[in-house]
Parts: sequence; structure tokens; C-alpha cells
Amino acid sequence: NAGVMQNPRHLVRRRGQEARLRCSPMKGHSHVYWYRQLPEEGLKFMVYLQKENIIDESGMPKERFSAEFPKEGPSILRIQQVVRGDSAAYFCASSPPAAADQPQHFGDGTRLSIL
Amino acid sequence: QQQVKQSPQSLIVQKGGISIINCAYENTAFDYFPWYQQFPGKGPALLIAIRPDVSEKKEGRFTISFNKSAKQFSLHIMDSQPGDSATYFCAASILNTDKLIFGTGTRLQVFP
Repeated sequence: NAGVMQNPRHLVRRRGQEARLRCSPMKGHSHVYWYRQLPEEGLKFMVYLQKENIIDESGMPKERFSAEFPKEGPSILRIQQVVRGDSAAYFCASSPPAAADQPQHFGDGTRLSIL
Repeated sequence: QQQVKQSPQSLIVQKGGISIINCAYENTAFDYFPWYQQFPGKGPALLIAIRPDVSEKKEGRFTISFNKSAKQFSLHIMDSQPGDSATYFCAASILNTDKLIFGTGTRLQVFP
């Protein structure tokens, strides 16, 4: 059973470039969540998606950040015109369709470094 | 009101001892409280979770105690082992398929 797969594991970008982070949920999971973790801090919710729908984007910065979860393929978190403050670990989690006691399972994250 | 406060920030325990981590919340709509364990370079892994209709849940050496009236919950690790050394996060959500609100984490070190 493959877990949540994130790639790349490490991504280095220069200021002003674009960063694309990919997340393939566990088999059978149709809900995807993105979280950001700054060094020595907890995870902060960014966005919650289901196939082709954004359910909750209350944690997403208003500018430069976008997320999608197409009908086919992985979920993508896109950061345009990156700045130093975007340096963080970005984690994706997935869960099955709504059901009691179905926890979110996390990938091992993408560590984004901005030069 | 969406915050989850976690303490202590770091904890040092001798092998065989009990590790206790505490969390408090304000939003009474939260109804799912998981604990996650994270090793360096890895994603958080679910350890144990509880709903507010029970006051305690035990799985192996890990126990969650839940106090609904005080809006507090805690993780107890019995017979702590060096392999338990990791960062532990409490979290809360409204329905377990909604966003998780995480505490700030506790770095646990267990010495032989």
C-alpha cells in the first residue's frame, strides 16, 4: 500500500521563480489537504481540496499561491514569484471520502528553499 | 478561538519514565483530537486520536486523557523509550475530514 507521495522531496528556487509541488494521495482517498511548516513550528493549514473542487482555502495567502486537484493526476500546489519567506516544508495529507474515524495521512513533505 | 495551545515546548525523560504533553483549546465545536508523531525529515504520523464522548483512550504505551469541561487533553507515554524521541503535535478539528489545527509541538528526548 503506497502512502501519500510528494515530490520533489527538496526544491531549490531563486527569488522570483515559480515552485510546483506535487502530491499523489493514497489509493481510494479523494480528499487532499496542504499544510506549511516553518522551522521549529507546528503545521499550518493552507487548503483543502476534493477532485476538481477547492473546499476550503482559508489558509492560503491571497497572492502568488494556488492549488488544484484535477480529475486525473496529482494535486499541485503552485507558488509564483517566490520570496525568501516561502522557505518552509510543505506537507500534503489525504483522507477517504467523509466517514467517521478516517484520519488524515501525511506525506514526507517537500522542503522548499529560496535562494 | 481556532488556536490549540501545547506545552511543554521540550521534554527530557529518562528511559522507562512517563512523558506527559498537554494541550488546551477554546473552540467547543472541535470534536476530533489526534496526536501526531514526527521524526526529522519525515511527515507527521498519526499516533492516537480521541473524540469528546470518551475521557480516556489507550493504545499500547500511549494514552490520551480528555477533559471536556476544562477543554484540555493530554498524551501520556508510559515506559518511554529512546525510540520515542521525536516531536509530538496535538491537533483538533471539526469533523475529522476538515482542516486540522495543530499545536506548536513538543520535542521529546528520551535518554537511556
